[in-house]
Amino acid sequence: DIVMTQSPDSLTMSLGERATISCKSSQTVLWTSNNKNYLAWYQQKPGQPPKLLIYWASTRASGVPDRFSGSGSETDFTLTIGGLQGEDVAVYYCQQYFDSPFTFGPGTKVDIK
Amino acid sequence: QVQLQESGPGLVKPSETLSLTCVVSGDSINNYYWSWIRQPPGKGLEWIGYIYHTGSTNFKPSLKGRVTISMDTSKNQVSLKLTSVTAADTGIYYCARVGNYFDGSVNDAFDVWGQGTMVTVSS
Repeated sequence: DIVMTQSPDSLTMSLGERATISCKSSQTVLWTSNNKNYLAWYQQKPGQPPKLLIYWASTRASGVPDRFSGSGSETDFTLTIGGLQGEDVAVYYCQQYFDSPFTFGPGTKVDIK
Repeated sequence: QVQLQESGPGLVKPSETLSLTCVVSGDSINNYYWSWIRQPPGKGLEWIGYIYHTGSTNFKPSLKGRVTISMDTSKNQVSLKLTSVTAADTGIYYCARVGNYFDGSVNDAFDVWGQGTMVTVSS
């Protein structure tokens, strides 16, 4: 299985600050034949299901504000929230869909000071 | 706008079978892969398995032998059965659609999720 790790476990920041979450996979999720990284990011607010934010490591899903951006390749990825808003309080998960079983990172909790 | 609604018993006794249904509205289930994903209380997400309208399925290896995913195209719904449940199977169970952002394969992000249904395994 591809193991996904995330850091930090949690972060607390002020409104308007930039938040950065790291995600690492135990093996590459880059498919070289199409140059796509099979990596997604989800946001889960309390009491709600996860919501897709980013797919192919860097493509924003429909309706996702442009303060959310994804980057990285192969085994190292980053989710950046540029200009933290109150509604961004949530747990963020990365997930690989390169190979079954599809696996998620343990999550990073984002809070506001 | 596609919507997913999970339903099933909220309480299941240990060693019995957990049975859940996900009704899909707004699109045909024949057009996509569908997955079940669960989340133990206060914990992270665990992929259970997927199904395609061809009957193709795949499951998390640790759950193989206990899990069945099926679909009823006439009702536009996907179902999950998990046998011999224990307390470790307690959690919120989500139905999710595998998006079609590239080539229609199962290797894609989960773009639509149901609200989830809480299942507690307890005597």
